[in-house]
Amino acid sequence: NAGVTQTPKFQVLKTGQSMTLQCAQDMNHNSMYWYRQDPGMGLRLIYYSASEGTTDKGEVPNGYNVSRLNKREFSLRLESAAPSQTSVYFCASTGDRVNSPLHFGNGTRLTVT
Amino acid sequence: AQSVTQPDIHITVSEGASLELRCNYSYGATPYLFWYVQSPGQGLQLLLKYFSGDTLVQGIKGFEAEFKRSQSSFNLRKPSVHWSDAAEYFCAVGAPSNAGKSTFGDGTTLTVKP
Repeated sequence: NAGVTQTPKFQVLKTGQSMTLQCAQDMNHNSMYWYRQDPGMGLRLIYYSASEGTTDKGEVPNGYNVSRLNKREFSLRLESAAPSQTSVYFCASTGDRVNSPLHFGNGTRLTVT
Repeated sequence: AQSVTQPDIHITVSEGASLELRCNYSYGATPYLFWYVQSPGQGLQLLLKYFSGDTLVQGIKGFEAEFKRSQSSFNLRKPSVHWSDAAEYFCAVGAPSNAGKSTFGDGTTLTVKP
């Protein structure tokens, strides 16, 4: 019963490098989300996908791109990493019922030097 | 615009003591309210949620929360805290149709003294 799986768990990048954070869910959820968590700031929505083939910007999309590869997978790409993108990134998904809560992965801790 | 305020950044309680974590929200319609818990190195886990009905909501791990519309509050309570409850707690408010676009509070870190 894996739920939401994120890879990698940790990553260190140099400024300007690129990388892709992977997320997969096995709950047959249509909606998937990427958040970043910074100390004292709660969670902020970066991008979300309401269904396969659709993506929309959240609160803090600048510097990121996403791909909804299929129903299971939703990836987050940093094309040119900046120190301001040092954060913990969480992927989440929700079911289709009106009051479905979020199911979170365990996060990716990213440091950009 | 919706917003959530968790007034207490850090709370320390003794094991066995009661706990109340505060949450105040601002939302234009009927709110959909959540409490999540995050243990170190883990993702957030849903403790409980409220949309309608009984204003006292029971959750997992012995937690409960009470929705008070007149006070715009959704405080989390537990009668007797266990050492394993030490974690960070997040309150969130959003639309029933889209939990993923909820607004999260900044969190309250709970420390449990032996």
